[in-house]
Amino acid sequence: GENVEQHPSTLSVQEGDSAVIKCTYSDSASNYFPWYKQELGKRPQLIIDIRSNVGEKKDQRIAVTLNKTAKHFSLHITETQPEDSAVYFCAASIENSGYALNFGKGTSLLVTP
Amino acid sequence: GAGVSQSPRYKVAKRGQDVALRCDPISGHVSLFWYQQALGQGPEFLTYFQNEAQLDKSGLPSDRFFAERPEGSVSTLKIQRTQQEDSAVYLCASSAGQGDYGYTFGSGTRLTVV
Repeated sequence: GENVEQHPSTLSVQEGDSAVIKCTYSDSASNYFPWYKQELGKRPQLIIDIRSNVGEKKDQRIAVTLNKTAKHFSLHITETQPEDSAVYFCAASIENSGYALNFGKGTSLLVTP
Repeated sequence: GAGVSQSPRYKVAKRGQDVALRCDPISGHVSLFWYQQALGQGPEFLTYFQNEAQLDKSGLPSDRFFAERPEGSVSTLKIQRTQQEDSAVYLCASSAGQGDYGYTFGSGTRLTVV
């Protein structure tokens, strides 16, 4: 089955700096890659996603890049703010699984003022 | 409804007790998923429904876990003879399906087995 590796497990940055979280996946059939933000005790919330026919996608301060050849994708957050502090999960899925998600173990991001 | 609703929000069960967790998806959403999230971990896939059909149950950890969605809307995840290792947050998610990949997660049920 699909195996998603995520690193780092913790990341601390100063407000205004950039943060980068990287994930790798094992199944070349995976074609949908969402990122979720989860605050303590709350539900995971989709922040950005990318499909395999696209190499990069941006949404304001957030961007995701995908390298299908190398089977890795990354989340980039620029101009970080304290409210960006949360756990971030990457995931990979395959269309014929109904898009059941295989999650990474998460990155705990702390943005200090 | 406006979002995915799960109940109860918290459940404490004695070891060996049966529990039933409910998920009310967004109205009209075809796809429904159950995930198990242990403390400090990412969600782990349990099972997937498309309407009332359970298309994938490969993630259910044992035959003590059973899920149903008899009318293609509300779903119930049942755990029989609960064990301490079943303690986790159980998340339900739904999507419109048919090429709409975006999930909406519920707030989850935190199950503690004592």
